[in-house]
Amino acid sequence: AQSVTQLGSHVSVSEGALVLLRCNYSSSVPPYLFWYVQYPNQGLQLLLKYTSAATLVKGINGFEAEFKKSETSFHLTKPSAHMSDAAEYFCGLGSSNTGKLIFGQGTTLQVKP
Amino acid sequence: NAGVTQTPKFQVLKTGQSMTLQCAQDMNHEYMSWYRQDPGMGLRLIHYSVGAGITDQGEVPNGYNVSRSTTEDFPLRLLSAAPSQTSVYFCASSSPSGRAPPTDTQYFGPGTRLTVL
Repeated sequence: AQSVTQLGSHVSVSEGALVLLRCNYSSSVPPYLFWYVQYPNQGLQLLLKYTSAATLVKGINGFEAEFKKSETSFHLTKPSAHMSDAAEYFCGLGSSNTGKLIFGQGTTLQVKP
Repeated sequence: NAGVTQTPKFQVLKTGQSMTLQCAQDMNHEYMSWYRQDPGMGLRLIHYSVGAGITDQGEVPNGYNVSRSTTEDFPLRLLSAAPSQTSVYFCASSSPSGRAPPTDTQYFGPGTRLTVL
């Protein structure tokens, strides 16, 4: 069975500090992995995705994620947090034959001045 | 392209009432899905469709019906609303591997906020 686990429901960082949001997955087939961001009262916006090409994936707004098969992880990072990064972040595991996407529980990122 | 559109944006129902949440996409996507978002639980898949005339259940299908008569539309029906169905509902669409737009990126609508009293 496929599953996604996001470690830490809330993460707080200072402006300018490193952002690290953790995601681990379980999948019996090669995974498609995604990170989405949700700003308050809005829908979900794709940050980046892994589809079996490069293991280091760069996304929008300075975010990137590294696929590590041995660790079944797809952690999201950003070198320097901005106040505008405060949002909820979701890791997703996709299936190419159904279009289904399984989400983690979400991580709320707080950025302190 | 309008992308994925959802109506209504807000809805208040009384227990036992029925209603349909509308979802439409103009990107010729084969795959469409409905999710509900609840605090601390992320997004959970309700129903999905891999093409017109084909639907299947997700994680939390009870109390909801779907049909897919056209590629563009994927309505979600609440048969007899219950307070436990108070949530934010998102519709999403995607295209299968190997075709444009990018593989399996899900495009989300803006959501419908439903309150059941």
